[in-house]
Amino acid sequence: RKEVEQDPGPFNVPEGATVAFNCTYSNSASQSFFWYRQDCRKEPKLLMSVYSSGNEDGRFTAQLNRASQYISLLIRDSKLSDSATYLCVVTNTGGFKTIFGAGTRLFVKA
Amino acid sequence: DTAVSQTPKYLVTQMGNDKSIKCEQNLGHDTMYWYKQDSKKFLKIMFSYNNKELIINETVPNRFSPKSPDKAHLNLHINSLELGDSAVYFCASSQVINEQYFGPGTRLTVT
Repeated sequence: RKEVEQDPGPFNVPEGATVAFNCTYSNSASQSFFWYRQDCRKEPKLLMSVYSSGNEDGRFTAQLNRASQYISLLIRDSKLSDSATYLCVVTNTGGFKTIFGAGTRLFVKA
Repeated sequence: DTAVSQTPKYLVTQMGNDKSIKCEQNLGHDTMYWYKQDSKKFLKIMFSYNNKELIINETVPNRFSPKSPDKAHLNLHINSLELGDSAVYFCASSQVINEQYFGPGTRLTVT
């Protein structure tokens, strides 16, 4: 089993749609959780951290369920500029080991 | 000002050669990383350094040797390059458990 698993997609959605990405992780001792975004031929950039209480940043909402070892990302009112690969990220070993999921590709169409 | 910089951006070389990639961060972070992103776009950690000390070595072949002369620099030297080493190599830095800032990547092609 992979340490971090994501649905690879691609997700093809129209502008304005709501889309949800899921991620599961295998190590129950994992400490920190993030969603990163990677555009084609660019470096990954942090989208948002994920907390157990859930957190929201504008159109983006992230949830963490430690009991189920499950992380989610919800994007509301999708924009063309949201087209990218979304990477689920988990850290272990005191935060020094970072494990990236394989990424979920999103295409938002006009 | 570039937060995390890498040189070179592109590297084309032949099998068997030795090459180095340099990374510098001006964020004052204590922790630096090297990642490899292969042709399937899977991003995998290779090394983590904290205050110039190696913390994580993810079963990387010993042809790969990282060196951290100071907290702001983490270089990667690769001996006897193989075709399978072709990938994009990203350097990153962070304060532990916090957001990582990535460099623009070095696209290595081994022919």
